[in-house]
Amino acid sequence: DAGVIQSPRHEVTEMGQEVTLRCKPISGHNSLFWYRQTMMRGLELLIYFNNNVPIDDSGMPEDRFSAKMPNASFSTLKIQPSEPRDSAVYFCASSAGQGGQPQHFGDGTRLSIL
Amino acid sequence: GNSVTQMEGPVTLSEEAFLTINCTYTATGYPSLFWYVQYPGEGLQLLLKATKADDKGSNKGFEATYRKETTSFHLEKGSVQVSDSAVYFCALSDPRRNTDKLIFGTGTRLQVFP
Repeated sequence: DAGVIQSPRHEVTEMGQEVTLRCKPISGHNSLFWYRQTMMRGLELLIYFNNNVPIDDSGMPEDRFSAKMPNASFSTLKIQPSEPRDSAVYFCASSAGQGGQPQHFGDGTRLSIL
Repeated sequence: GNSVTQMEGPVTLSEEAFLTINCTYTATGYPSLFWYVQYPGEGLQLLLKATKADDKGSNKGFEATYRKETTSFHLEKGSVQVSDSAVYFCALSDPRRNTDKLIFGTGTRLQVFP
């Protein structure tokens, strides 16, 4: 079975540019999570969806970040405008959404903002 | 609120040594408990889980027992290999909330030398 698929794997762009990260969850999973990982802050939950609806976005750093889930098989995380401090590895994870179930992670997008 | 505390790393061992990584938690009710492993350049992978008191999760020679009386879920392996070098995360979720949102520890880096 295919796991969680993220694209691109690497992204290098200049500050001020718009960045869009993409995620395809595991088929049949109802919950989707976006994380950011840095050396300084560790692993941070940014936002999560249940049945395509955002449930908790309290981890989204600021208005420059936005996330959407237009259908059960696709989600995006957008940063506009990007800043060097946004450089990090961004992970998407999905789960069955039944309570107490494990999350399954993608391989992440390594984002560098110059 | 719910929280997870892991021992500080890095943990440095010689090949075939015994491994323990401590994890304790604070939670209301009876959370599900997980260990995840992150190899360099990859996403987090579920290593093992336990859903109720006295359950033992095991996988790839790793074990952890859900101890309600000590609120702990320590990770153990009898004989580590160089290939076990990675970062290990302890996590919990509260199934009562009907969500798969996880609370992660800060991670413990394991370095195994030949």
